[in-house]
Amino acid sequence: GAVVSQHPSWVICKSGTSVKIECRSLDFQATTMFWYRQFPKQSLMLMATSNEGSKATYEQGVEKDKFLINHASLTLSTLTVTSAHPEDSSFYICSARVGVNNEQFFGPGTRLTVL
Amino acid sequence: GIQVEQSPPDLILQEGANSTLRCNFSDSVNNLQWFHQNPWGQLINLFYIPSGTKQNGRLSATTVATERYSLLYISSSQTTDSGVYFCAVASYTGANSKLTFGKGITLSVRP
Repeated sequence: GAVVSQHPSWVICKSGTSVKIECRSLDFQATTMFWYRQFPKQSLMLMATSNEGSKATYEQGVEKDKFLINHASLTLSTLTVTSAHPEDSSFYICSARVGVNNEQFFGPGTRLTVL
Repeated sequence: GIQVEQSPPDLILQEGANSTLRCNFSDSVNNLQWFHQNPWGQLINLFYIPSGTKQNGRLSATTVATERYSLLYISSSQTTDSGVYFCAVASYTGANSKLTFGKGITLSVRP
């Protein structure tokens, strides 16, 4: 199957700082990538859909100015959590879709802890 | 939006036992995927199965699209099968097609 990587795998930062998370499709080109957030013992919640070369589409309730998404190439999407606060601490997971209707493949996730 | 329900929410098995995990969805779908989330959080693709039946080793899955459900079968379970199993569906096509996840089924396989 297709391989998706994320970096970093975990990050600890101070409140008020910004954190950038990278998502890469390693062996295929992904016109669409997705960003999810998962709280402990809960399911994945879609934050935004990222299409290469265009603005991301955010889900209702997700602040686009706080969670900046850039999809500048067919193999890289980034999520920047700006002015992070402790309530932003979570597990962030990206995925990439192969084709329009085909399956999604997920990265290993990034665990963010904001102190 | 489409609703996804998984059952049972929790499942405890003895090693070697078989199990069936169920996923019900509220609308027609053109994408259905089963995932296993391991203890480190990685989602592992098990099946892409919007319809029909597939098998991969001890795992198999069946989706009956007309009746809006999918089943994941685990045979001869092993302790490494423990973790959370998610069903996710997408109900429309196009660039904005997106997966909706169920709440997951937590499986514990005891040695």
